[in-house]
Amino acid sequence: AQSVTQLDSHVSVSEGTPVLLRCNYSSSYSPSLFWYVQHPNKGLQLLLKYTSAATLVKGINGFEAEFKKSETSFHLTKPSAHMSDAAEYFCVVREEGYSTLTFGKGTMLLVSP
Amino acid sequence: GAVVSQHPSRVICKSGTSVKIECRSLDFQATTMFWYRQFPKKSLMLMATSNEGSKATYEQGVEKDKFLINHASLTLSTLTVTSAHPEDSSFYICSASPTDRQETQYFGPGTRLLVL
Repeated sequence: AQSVTQLDSHVSVSEGTPVLLRCNYSSSYSPSLFWYVQHPNKGLQLLLKYTSAATLVKGINGFEAEFKKSETSFHLTKPSAHMSDAAEYFCVVREEGYSTLTFGKGTMLLVSP
Repeated sequence: GAVVSQHPSRVICKSGTSVKIECRSLDFQATTMFWYRQFPKKSLMLMATSNEGSKATYEQGVEKDKFLINHASLTLSTLTVTSAHPEDSSFYICSASPTDRQETQYFGPGTRLLVL
C-alpha cells in the first residue's frame, strides 16, 4: 500500500526567502511522485513529477524537488518565494503499474511581504 | 492542451434533491476518469474510477447508489449525487487520463456543492 506524509500543515515564509515543503512517502514498488498546487477556488495544477529518471526534478515557477530513495523523501524547494506562491501544495504518490493517486494532506504555504 | 472542465462550478440545492456534475475532457479522449472529494482543509479522497463503457469502481466506504457515475463517452463523465443531504456538501473534483497517456491525470477546476 502506498501513503504520503506531508510533515507540515502550514509553512510561513517571507517574500524572497527559500521555501521547503517536506514530503515522505511509503510505497511497495517503484513509485511515481508528484507535487500539485491548488490556489484558492482554482483547480489543481501539476508543478512537477518524478518517474524514475533524474532524481532532481525541475518544475514550473522555479520549483524543484529531489527524490531520495534512502530517505523515502520528495521535498519541494524554491530558492526565493514570491507572493503568488501562496497556495496549498499536495504531494502525491502513484505506484508503478497503477493509475490510482494517493494524496498527502496538503501544506498551506503563506508568504508575507 | 489537456483541459478538463467541470459544470457547474458551484451549486446550491435543497436536501433530498439530486445534483448532476459533469466532467469533460475538452481536447483529448479519456478512457479513464476519476472522481475525488475534498473536505475543507483536508486532502483529496478518491471516490471512484470510471472507465468508458463500463461500470465505475468505487473506493471502500463510498456508496455507489448515492454517488452515481456514468462515463458514456470518451470525453464525458457525470457524477450524480442522489437525494443529497447537508453532509454531502463538499468540493468535488474530477480528473481525466488521456487514452494514449494513461499514467497522466489532468484535473478539473472542481465543483462546490452546498446542500441546505
